[in-house]
Amino acid sequence: EADIYQTPRYLVIGTGKKITLECSQTMGHDKMYWYQQDPGMELHLIHYSYGVNSTEKGDLSSESTVSRIRTEHFPLTLESARPSHTSQYLCASSEYPSSSSYNSPLHFGNGTRLTVT
Amino acid sequence: LAKTTQPISMDSYEGQEVNITCSHNNIATNDYITWYQQFPSQGPRFIIQGYKTKVTNEVASLFIPADRKSSTLSLPRVSLSDTAVYYCLVGSGGYNKLIFGAGTRLAVHP
Repeated sequence: EADIYQTPRYLVIGTGKKITLECSQTMGHDKMYWYQQDPGMELHLIHYSYGVNSTEKGDLSSESTVSRIRTEHFPLTLESARPSHTSQYLCASSEYPSSSSYNSPLHFGNGTRLTVT
Repeated sequence: LAKTTQPISMDSYEGQEVNITCSHNNIATNDYITWYQQFPSQGPRFIIQGYKTKVTNEVASLFIPADRKSSTLSLPRVSLSDTAVYYCLVGSGGYNKLIFGAGTRLAVHP
């Protein structure tokens, strides 16, 4: 079973606070991702990383930032939380595929449900 | 990017076989088809992946016709625990190029 951990599981915070959502994986995967998902809605890719010191923005514009200083760690930060940031944030990782066409399976954490009041 | 179309929801009963079809008319030559399952308050879980014909694992089967413009996820003898959202993804070269659609909400009834 995949070993990818997200903390906290739930977070309720006031507007204007700075928050960091933690994501760690113990599989040695180079690729990591952050998705945002509202209840009952589809997942949207907001950030991804190919490896240490690599970060890219995803398809959905986000006011969050990420860093990748260590292979196993991919934290997401909101400098000033707003009610519009209320959502579920899912972290995932995958290994590099053996060919350019194959997609290595994504391993997801259980998510952080963020509520900004 | 290959866009996918799935039914929004499906209903079934315990013990039945469930087939969920996904349309991907503009699939590219190098694209693979991947299916994920998501339970409430959890991240999606990989089920199966294929390129053509048929793929089977301990959880499901994936049927892909010769033109690859659609695919069918088959879940044999579903149980209540199979109630979840099922996503079909099409693409290649890594998940930064894949799109999770709205998925299919499968409800399994006693």
